[in-house]
Amino acid sequence: EVYLAESGGGVVRPGGSLRLSCAASGFKFDANGMSWVRQTRGEGLEWVSGITANGDDTGYADSVRGRFTISRDNAKNSLYLQMSSLRVEDTARHFCATRRGDRWGQGALVIVSS
Amino acid sequence: ENVVTQSPGTLSLSPGERVTLSCRASQSVSRNYLAWYQHKPGQTPRSLIYGTFIRATGIPDRFSGSGSGTDFTLTITRLEPEDSAIYYCQQYDTLPWTFGQGTKVEIK
Repeated sequence: EVYLAESGGGVVRPGGSLRLSCAASGFKFDANGMSWVRQTRGEGLEWVSGITANGDDTGYADSVRGRFTISRDNAKNSLYLQMSSLRVEDTARHFCATRRGDRWGQGALVIVSS
Repeated sequence: ENVVTQSPGTLSLSPGERVTLSCRASQSVSRNYLAWYQHKPGQTPRSLIYGTFIRATGIPDRFSGSGSGTDFTLTITRLEPEDSAIYYCQQYDTLPWTFGQGTKVEIK
């Protein structure tokens, strides 16, 4: 069974940092591009960042470019999102998902508050 | 960046009706790399369609996707009360893999 599990969420002060992880199992992780997508309270879904299957290419939403870094370790079947210079507006549930979106984790809640 | 625009913003329909949602990309989407999701507040997004046409696991055949190039459509036949949600399309052809802003479907 395909399984994606996010971890690393929590409460952080504005300007702080967090690292989200996503552990994958049940499918060929190294053959799949991956995304981070977030759902903010009262807002819709926002694609945050993506990485190709071999990690050679990455992309970011304008709202996080320069502050967030996506990476992956195919040997560990894991996806990461390093979040820095966090802002109140980054408060959201962050999901990892396959590139084509057919599998999603349950999400990690990030709260940025003073 | 390939900007994705959905229309209409909101629809209000009765059970049993047929609904057609539109998704337009500013640049051509190759390899049919277009997906549709159903999202209800507080829940994990549900994959409906990927590869423009392919229904995700467990999705009933009331949901169908079509289109090519820059214009794509999600059709829901025989609308049911549980179909009340926001529907998003996403191109995953070229980074950034952009979402549309969503279409809210309300059931009368």
